[in-house]
Amino acid sequence: AQSVTQLGSHVSVSEGALVLLRCNYSSSVPPYLFWYVQYPNQGLQLLLKYTTGATLVKGINGFEAEFKKSETSFHLTKPSAHMSDAAEYFCAVSDRSGGGADGLTFGKGTHLIIQP
Amino acid sequence: DAGVIQSPRHEVTEMGQEVTLRCKPISGHNSLFWYRQTMMRGLELLIYFNNNVPIDDSGMPEDRFSAKMPNASFSTLKIQPSEPRDSAVYFCASSLAASGLYEQFFGPGTRLTVL
Repeated sequence: AQSVTQLGSHVSVSEGALVLLRCNYSSSVPPYLFWYVQYPNQGLQLLLKYTTGATLVKGINGFEAEFKKSETSFHLTKPSAHMSDAAEYFCAVSDRSGGGADGLTFGKGTHLIIQP
Repeated sequence: DAGVIQSPRHEVTEMGQEVTLRCKPISGHNSLFWYRQTMMRGLELLIYFNNNVPIDDSGMPEDRFSAKMPNASFSTLKIQPSEPRDSAVYFCASSLAASGLYEQFFGPGTRLTVL
């Protein structure tokens, strides 16, 4: 069974500082990898995904993530935090054998706090 | 496009009552997923359908939970009888399987409170 670990349930950064949210997966075969963002009282929105090809992927709102197979990681970064980035961030995986049609396994989430 | 539509947005009910949550996926999508979000357990996959057929219901907590997808544009998640521990936010998501895009689009969720 797959599992996803997000290190740090809460991360606080200053506005303009680097954002780094960590995600590690446990799977014998590298899965499809996703980062979703959830704003209060809303559903989840896809930030970015890795399925194949280039291991550094860029997403919306200036976020990017790098797939590192040797480290089984898919950390999310943003060079300069904005107040509007304050939200809950979820790392998720999907089994490749399902061709992308399977359900997602989510990490516990990281609450990103932006200090003015 | 209206996105994934869920109803009701909020539901408050008493223990023992039947609860039905509804979902309308994005038109043209052929995969539909039900997730539950709680503080203790986070986001969990309950069940998913491909082309209206249930594929994996191993996440359904117990027999009190049932889900149906009678056609491509509608799905229900029913809890009977409901219990306080069922209180959670229930999300429906849809995707176009085999499109190569892999993205699931989430609805706004139904916040269920069982008293």
